[in-house]
Amino acid sequence: GAVVSQHPSWVICKSGTSVKIECRSLDFQATTMFWYRQFPKQSLMLMATSNEGSKATYEQGVEKDKFLINHASLTLSTLTVTSAHPEDSSFYICSAIGQGTGMNGYTFGSGTRLTVV
Amino acid sequence: AQSVTQLGSHVSVSEGALVLLRCNYSSSVPPYLFWYVQYPNQGLQLLLKYTTGATLVKGINGFEAEFKKSETSFHLTKPSAHMSDAAEYFCAVTPLVGNEKLTFGTGTRLTIIP
Repeated sequence: GAVVSQHPSWVICKSGTSVKIECRSLDFQATTMFWYRQFPKQSLMLMATSNEGSKATYEQGVEKDKFLINHASLTLSTLTVTSAHPEDSSFYICSAIGQGTGMNGYTFGSGTRLTVV
Repeated sequence: AQSVTQLGSHVSVSEGALVLLRCNYSSSVPPYLFWYVQYPNQGLQLLLKYTTGATLVKGINGFEAEFKKSETSFHLTKPSAHMSDAAEYFCAVTPLVGNEKLTFGTGTRLTIIP
């Protein structure tokens, strides 16, 4: 079945530094990637939608200059949290759809726990 | 626009008892509905989905859900709870399985009592 690999699983960084999270579709071409943020004991909040080769579409209230999304190929999308601050600490999850995802549609990565200290 | 309401942020059932997790949706167009399960510090795993056709949908791990248009509901059930079912469950809706975003409910944490 369709698999999305997300790395790293967890990361700790110092305040003011940048962190990059990668999502790779291993066995299908991800035409669209979604990036979510999840606070403890809360639901998933969509941050942005990216189509391969195009600029990401950000949800209202999400700072596009802070959360840089790149979807340069059909198998890789990255989320870079720039100048991270403690309030950016959260669980980030990517999801992909495309050729090969079949009837399941959306395939999710395993998530990245970001802690900013 | 689509929205999802999950009644009950926490549900506790005894092992072997019926599991019922409620989901109601709002959609201006025919919806596609999903149930996902999330274990701690992990991504989401698809339990089952409704797109078109049969309204009673069977999923993995013994779960099933019934799409009831008249009630705008898509409740998740399992006849007999197992300890391994303890997790967070999310109902989600999208107007089209394509490049449309999923809209999630707030989630229900299921606890199984031994």
